[in-house]
Amino acid sequence: RKEVEQDPGPFNVPEGATVAFNCTYSNSASQSFFWYRQDCRKEPKLLMSVYSSGNEDGRFTAQLNRASQYISLLIRDSKLSDSATYLCVVAFSGGYNKLIFGAGTRLAVHP
Amino acid sequence: EAGVVQSPRYKIIEKKQPVAFWCNPISGHNTLYWYLQNLGQGPELLIRYENEEAVDDSQLPKDRFSAERLKGVDSTLKIQPAELGDSAVYLCASSGTSAYNEQFFGPGTRLTVL
Repeated sequence: RKEVEQDPGPFNVPEGATVAFNCTYSNSASQSFFWYRQDCRKEPKLLMSVYSSGNEDGRFTAQLNRASQYISLLIRDSKLSDSATYLCVVAFSGGYNKLIFGAGTRLAVHP
Repeated sequence: EAGVVQSPRYKIIEKKQPVAFWCNPISGHNTLYWYLQNLGQGPELLIRYENEEAVDDSQLPKDRFSAERLKGVDSTLKIQPAELGDSAVYLCASSGTSAYNEQFFGPGTRLTVL
């Protein structure tokens, strides 16, 4: 079983739609959680951290459920520029943020 | 401020040949990481450096892969000899003095082994 599992998609949505991605992780000792964005043939970039209380950054909302070992990302009012792969990332505190990446969920927003 | 720099951006070699990738982290970043990313997968850590010391190389295939960061700044990752299965993107990342600082990735080197 993979340590971080995501639906690979693709999710094809029209502009303005709301879309949600889910992610599950297997190690209950995981301590930090993130969503990274990766454009085609580009490097991953941090989109947002995920906190237990849930957090929002503009059109993006991230949620964490430690009991179910589940992370989500909600994108409201999708833009064409949101088209990318979204990587769920879990970190273990072995003295530093050792990042474990999921395989990513691909989002395609169309006009 | 310049980001993480990697070269070359693309490399095509025949199997059994050696290959080397270079990375220059963001200025002042003590921690440097090498990741491997296969198509359709997330990046996987190969090795982490704190200054010039390799502190986590548990996932580096040491029979053919080696890395160095002699002066604690730039780093080189080498494969010798390369195999067909090594075709992937090799990403370098760096982070600041805190072990929990954000990791910034370079553009990667796309390796094709024929």
